Amino acid sequence: GDSVTQMEGPVTLSEEAFLTINCTYTATGYPSLFWYVQYPGEGLQLLLKATKADDKGSNKGFEATYRKETTSFHLEKGSVQVSDSAVYFCALSLGEYGNKLVFGAGTILRVKS
Amino acid sequence: DSGVTQTPKHLITATGQRVTLRCSPRSGDLSVYWYQQSLDQGLQFLIQYYNGEERAKGNILERFSAQQFPDLHSELNLSSLELGDSALYFCASGGYRGKGELFFGEGSRLTVL
Repeated sequence: GDSVTQMEGPVTLSEEAFLTINCTYTATGYPSLFWYVQYPGEGLQLLLKATKADDKGSNKGFEATYRKETTSFHLEKGSVQVSDSAVYFCALSLGEYGNKLVFGAGTILRVKS
Repeated sequence: DSGVTQTPKHLITATGQRVTLRCSPRSGDLSVYWYQQSLDQGLQFLIQYYNGEERAKGNILERFSAQQFPDLHSELNLSSLELGDSALYFCASGGYRGKGELFFGEGSRLTVL
């Protein structure tokens, strides 16, 4: 079935370090891909998305490129801040039942000052 | 603020009891999705409704049921509760067609003692 695999955390970085969180997917069709972020005590918020191969999603300094050949959607940020500490979820949607999302397990990011 | 409202935010109950979680979707959204977030299972899709009709079912237990009312709000009913049902239950809303994003509420945290 359709699934998303993320790198396990927690990932602990110092402020201004470079961030990469790996995400790969398995899907029977051509999914849209998403990164959601969950701050402590809050719901999930969309961080960025890409709807077709080679699209790059970007928001708040985060970027991810939809790579069909490697079935990947890795999240990157050049310089993290303490305020980026959160749980990051990679997700896909195939749209056959609307926008049902299949999520990865989530990666905890901790940024130290 | 995502525009999705969930109540109650916190709920503590005993094994064997029944609870109802409520969700009001974002204005204009016809689809409602329920997800369960637990430490060992991650984010699991439970069920989706579109304009009052069930459209997709995921890993929802037979002890759980849901419905969407004419005013588009939705309720998730959890019965014969077990300790393992303790989790954060999220409601999300979004459009039906295409592969767009979902908007999540802040969740209802259920603790079963």
